Amino acid sequence: GESVGLHLPTLSVQEGDNSIINCAYSNSASDYFIWYKQESGKGPQFIIDIRSNMDKRQGQRVTVLLNKTVKHLSLQIAATQPGDSAVYFCAEGPSGGADGLTFGKGTHLIIQP
Amino acid sequence: EAGVVQSPRYKIIEKKQPVAFWCNPISGHNTLYWYRQNLGQGPELLIRYENEEAVDDSQLPKDRFSAERLKGVDSTLKIQPAELGDSAVYLCASSPQRGNEQFFGPGTRLTVL
Repeated sequence: GESVGLHLPTLSVQEGDNSIINCAYSNSASDYFIWYKQESGKGPQFIIDIRSNMDKRQGQRVTVLLNKTVKHLSLQIAATQPGDSAVYFCAEGPSGGADGLTFGKGTHLIIQP
Repeated sequence: EAGVVQSPRYKIIEKKQPVAFWCNPISGHNTLYWYRQNLGQGPELLIRYENEEAVDDSQLPKDRFSAERLKGVDSTLKIQPAELGDSAVYLCASSPQRGNEQFFGPGTRLTVL
């Protein structure tokens, strides 16, 4: 798989490889974090979320890791498929999730055959 | 279950003209959000409703933007008059309650000429 440092606007991986998309958040009081996938011409689609009392959460082919010490969030996608091509955004919510989400800069994931 | 519905999907207007966007959230979702997404950026919150009450409109440019959710269900976002810089995708999202996952509609792409 391919690992990247903090935010890259574009990540290109081979089909079948694992992908890691990174995100740094700014508000240490945030306690709710979400990854969204956005395909061209569509609204953001929920992938996975995690609360600050956890450091890892797994879904189907996806894993989110949260490091509160360095305010870092990552999304791991296993065995990437062509349908994974999209822009991925991390988003954070303030303490208690009271208000709207603050989105990070997106990463465009490109899957090469 | 139907998702968040938005209309129109696309709108092209000349500057100084008014424009309105409509959103119907997922049935039973009390919280409704309007976001603006500029090209290549993540969505930015404009306003959040809890039922019919606007509880966070701090990011809404009130000189030209207005919104309403009169019966606590569907909502309208209006711009009058539109400026060139308003060209963006306007996204509506809903959530069963604050602090939970937000479901996004497909957005309205506005082009101001």
